[in-house]
Amino acid sequence: GDSVTQMEGPVTLSEEAFLTINCTYTATGYPSLFWYVQYPGEGLQLLLKATKADDKGSNKGFEATYRKETTSFHLEKGSVQVSDSAVYFCALTENSNYQLIWGAGTKLIIKP
Amino acid sequence: EAGVVQSPRYKIIEKKQPVAFWCNPISGHNTLYWYRQNLGQGPELLIRYENEEAVDDSQLPKDRFSAERLKGVDSTLKIQPAELGDSAVYLCASSRFGGGGNTEAFFGQGTRLTVV
Repeated sequence: GDSVTQMEGPVTLSEEAFLTINCTYTATGYPSLFWYVQYPGEGLQLLLKATKADDKGSNKGFEATYRKETTSFHLEKGSVQVSDSAVYFCALTENSNYQLIWGAGTKLIIKP
Repeated sequence: EAGVVQSPRYKIIEKKQPVAFWCNPISGHNTLYWYRQNLGQGPELLIRYENEEAVDDSQLPKDRFSAERLKGVDSTLKIQPAELGDSAVYLCASSRFGGGGNTEAFFGQGTRLTVV
């Protein structure tokens, strides 16, 4: 079945460092890909998405490119801030149905 | 626009007791989801509603879990009796349409259940 694998955390970085959180997937069809973020004490929020190969999703300085050839959707940010500290989830849906398939989440800790 | 509202935020109960969670989705969202999230894991879908109809409850442990969405708006999820392994965060989400990968789901803050 479909699955999402993301790098284990926690990932600890200093402020203004470059961030990459890896996400790879397996899917039988042509999925849409998502990054959700969960700030401490808050619900899950959609951060960005991409619905077809080579699409780039972006929001709040974060970017991820849908790479069909490597089945990846890595999250990147050029300069992280303390306020980016959160848990990040990669997820997919097959375009034929509704169900979100989730990765295990990666906790990001940014130190001043 | 108000977001998805869940209550209570926290609940501590003894095992074998019943517990109920409530969710009010975003106005106009036909689709409502209940998820369970264990520590260090992604959410697992328990049940999905399209209006008042449960269209996917295949992951709901029906021996102890039940859910309802009587008027197609707010929903309750119940556990009776609760077990120690039910300790988790229970998330409610809603979306405009249930089908298709482009649909964005909006999540509530969740209810953190601790069974002692």
